[in-house]
Amino acid sequence: GQQLNQSPQSMFIQEGEDVSMNCTSSSIFNTWLWYKQDPGEGPVLLIALYKAGELTSNGRLTAQFGITRKDSFLNISASIPSDVGIYFCAGRRRGNEKLTFGTGTRLTIIP
Amino acid sequence: KAGVTQTPRYLIKTRGQQVTLSCSPISGHRSVSWYQQTPGQGLQFLFEYFSETQRNKGNFPGRFSGRQFSNSRSEMNVSTLELGDSALYLCASSFGLAGDEQYFGPGTRLTVT
Repeated sequence: GQQLNQSPQSMFIQEGEDVSMNCTSSSIFNTWLWYKQDPGEGPVLLIALYKAGELTSNGRLTAQFGITRKDSFLNISASIPSDVGIYFCAGRRRGNEKLTFGTGTRLTIIP
Repeated sequence: KAGVTQTPRYLIKTRGQQVTLSCSPISGHRSVSWYQQTPGQGLQFLFEYFSETQRNKGNFPGRFSGRQFSNSRSEMNVSTLELGDSALYLCASSFGLAGDEQYFGPGTRLTVT
C-alpha cells in the first residue's frame, strides 16, 4: 500500500541535541499525526495537526503542518534517553479515508 | 480512562492453522482499525470498522477478516496461516472514522512456525 516518505530513516545523536525529521507526500493531506513507538509496544500519539501552517507543541516536541499540505515536520529539543524509539508520521487525505503511515525514523542516542 | 487493550499479547501458531485476535477500544470510541506491522513492510492497514460495519479495507487476501460487535469490541481472524503472516498486529480506536486521532493498543505478536 501507499506509504509516506519519512526522512531520515535513522538518526544517531548525543543526549541534549535537537532532532528534526520530516514526512513528505505527493498528495495533499488534511490531517497529519505523529506517533512514537517503543520496542514491543503500540505507537503512542504525540501530536495531531489539522490546518496548513499549524504549529503545535507537546513539551519538548513541536510539529508543523506544511503550508503546501504535502509535508509535515517534527522537532525534538534537548533530547533525553527516553526519546529513543521509532517515530511515525500518519496522514489522511480527505473525507473518511484511512490513515496512511510513514516508513518511520529510528532515533538512537549515543552515550 | 482505560486505553486500547488487545488479547492475547503473544501467540505462536503453526502454518495452516487459524487465529483470532481481540481488541477492546477506548470507552466511547466507535471506530476500530487493524494494522499489520512487519520490519520490511512497516505499518500496513488491514481494515476499519465503525458501528459494526466495515468502512475501509486494505490490500490483504480474503484470509484476513474481521468483525465488530455492538459494544465496539472487534475481532480479527486469519485463516490458513502462512509463515509470512508473522507480524505485530495492532488495533487502533478512534471516536469517529479512521481520520480522527487514532489510539493504538500494545499489539499482538503472532509467530507462525
